[in-house]
Amino acid sequence: DAEITQSPRHKITETGRQVTLACHQTWNHNNMFWYRQDLGHGLRLIHYSYGVQDTNKGEVSDGYSVSRSNTEDLPLTLESAASSQTSVYFCASSESRYNEQFFGPGTRLTVL
Amino acid sequence: QQPVQSPQAVILREGEDAVINCSSSKALYSVHWYRQKHGEAPVFLMILLKGGEQKGHEKISASFNEKKQQSSLYLTASQLSYSGTYFCGTEIFTGNQFYFGTGTSLTVIP
Repeated sequence: DAEITQSPRHKITETGRQVTLACHQTWNHNNMFWYRQDLGHGLRLIHYSYGVQDTNKGEVSDGYSVSRSNTEDLPLTLESAASSQTSVYFCASSESRYNEQFFGPGTRLTVL
Repeated sequence: QQPVQSPQAVILREGEDAVINCSSSKALYSVHWYRQKHGEAPVFLMILLKGGEQKGHEKISASFNEKKQQSSLYLTASQLSYSGTYFCGTEIFTGNQFYFGTGTSLTVIP
């Protein structure tokens, strides 16, 4: 069965370290998204991609970067982790803008 | 750009109805609705595209008034399994970005 996975599921890191969160989907979806979820803020879009080599900044992109070298993967990199980036991160994918987004299980990141 | 949801929280008894509203200040292309259980990922409920359509799925339905940039989610004869946080997600016409509301916590009690 097609699915979307995230790794790691939990991560503790220190301020200033570079961290990469992986997202892999097997639906062959063109669209992929990264969100962070914090209490009181709901889900906020960090970056999104509508195809290979296409990446776009979302609402809260400062301090984050993504690259899309193939259809299946959209890794999210925190260049220099900050305590404000402690959050739950969700990756999602969709076939097109007219279709539902399928969410991965999430990664809980703690920056100490 | 983030849509506003109301109410923020609601408690229902089994069998009661509820309405959750989602309002945007920008012209909308589409509205998505998702439900999230505690500690889990959001799960898709339905999508409404511009055109003022209404959709239904069993006892959960939704409407989209594109003129008012508003959508409402209707839950009828609520069940315990309906408990969770409901999010609307909106795609605005300009910029292709997707914005989720802050969520509505719904609790159904016996």
